[in-house]
Amino acid sequence: KAGVTQTPRYLIKTRGQQVTLSCSPISGHRSVSWYQQTPGQGLQFLFEYFSETQRNKGNFPGRFSGRQFSNSRSEMNVSTLELGDSALYLCASSLAGGGNSPLHFGNGTRLTVT
Amino acid sequence: ELKVEQNPLFLSMQEGKNYTIYCNYSTTSDRLYWYRQDPGKSLESLFVLLSNGAVKQEGRLMASLDTKARLSTLHITAAVHDLSATYFCAENTGTASKLTFGTGTRLQVTL
Repeated sequence: KAGVTQTPRYLIKTRGQQVTLSCSPISGHRSVSWYQQTPGQGLQFLFEYFSETQRNKGNFPGRFSGRQFSNSRSEMNVSTLELGDSALYLCASSLAGGGNSPLHFGNGTRLTVT
Repeated sequence: ELKVEQNPLFLSMQEGKNYTIYCNYSTTSDRLYWYRQDPGKSLESLFVLLSNGAVKQEGRLMASLDTKARLSTLHITAAVHDLSATYFCAENTGTASKLTFGTGTRLQVTL
């Protein structure tokens, strides 16, 4: 069974630009969550999507947005990039997101903002 | 505000030794997770602890949960070099997949 796939693996962008990251969950998984990992703040929850609806949102500015498609694939968009957005962005999927099963994480997209 | 604290933050131990990583959390959650992360890699699920008193073991790692004390432990028995990684605990308090992660414990096992 294929794992969670994130593309691209690496991105370099300039301040002010926008970026879109993609995540394909494990087949059959309907919940997709996004996390940001930085050395300073650690792992922080961005948002979760289930059946194309945002079910939960972390404490990030509105520049961070996402969506989920009918095939459960998800995209995350960051507009007006800032230097502080440089991070590893991890996508995770689970069957239903109910908390009783672990999240399965992808390999992440490492975003560098210059 | 949800808070998850791990200690120690860094642990250097010799092969063959035993040690315990502690994870304190701030809510009444009865679900606690442990993950492992190798440098430059993603997070790998180790354990899901779903109730008070839960104990799970896999190889040289054993995790337990005490919801009354809001404490989870990850015990390492007879450490080997392959266990070198960063270990995270995380709690979940809702129906969604929103995890609050601890700061992580970087484990270095030396020969």
